[in-house]
Amino acid sequence: AQSVTQPDIHITVSEGASLELRCNYSYGATPYLFWYVQSPGQGLQLLLKYFSGDTLVQGIKGFEAEFKRSQSSFNLRKPSVHWSDAAEYFCAVGTHSGNTPLVFGKGTRLSVIA
Amino acid sequence: EAGVAQSPRYKIIEKRQSVAFWCNPISGHATLYWYQQILGQGPKLLIQFQNNGVVDDSQLPKDRFSAERLKGVDSTLKIQPAKLEDSAVYLCASSHPPGESPLHFGNGTRLTVT
Repeated sequence: AQSVTQPDIHITVSEGASLELRCNYSYGATPYLFWYVQSPGQGLQLLLKYFSGDTLVQGIKGFEAEFKRSQSSFNLRKPSVHWSDAAEYFCAVGTHSGNTPLVFGKGTRLSVIA
Repeated sequence: EAGVAQSPRYKIIEKRQSVAFWCNPISGHATLYWYQQILGQGPKLLIQFQNNGVVDDSQLPKDRFSAERLKGVDSTLKIQPAKLEDSAVYLCASSHPPGESPLHFGNGTRLTVT
């Protein structure tokens, strides 16, 4: 069964600084990988996804993530953080089997300070 | 397109009472998921439907939780009787086709059991 580890529970960055959120997955084959963001009281919104091909994927709101098979990682990055980026971020892994549901990490809470 | 609709947004009940949540997925999405998100954790799958059939309910506490999707469209999740540890946000999501496309989430129902 697949699993996801997000090592950082809480990260604080200054507005305008760069951001990297870590995600490590466990799965024997090539996974589907996702990053979702959740603002307080809201559902999860898809930021970006990796299915195949180019290992650097671009998402909404200026986010990008890089799939590194050798490190089983799918880290999320943003070059310049805005105060509105403060939220909870979840990494998730799916499989190519079709009917296997997504497995989520425990999330990383991002705080942005002035 | 209209998103995933969930109701109610909030529910407060006493332990041992029953409660039901409703979800209407995005039109045309054959796969519907119910996730439970306990405060500070990532979403955990409770049940997955493909049309009106159950694909995965291995993590559904069947002694107290039940779910149905009778016509393959909207779905209800019921808890009877509720326990304190059921306090969580219940998220409904849909996708099409399963596995190859991202999940689209509703805003969730926040349940507080006192």
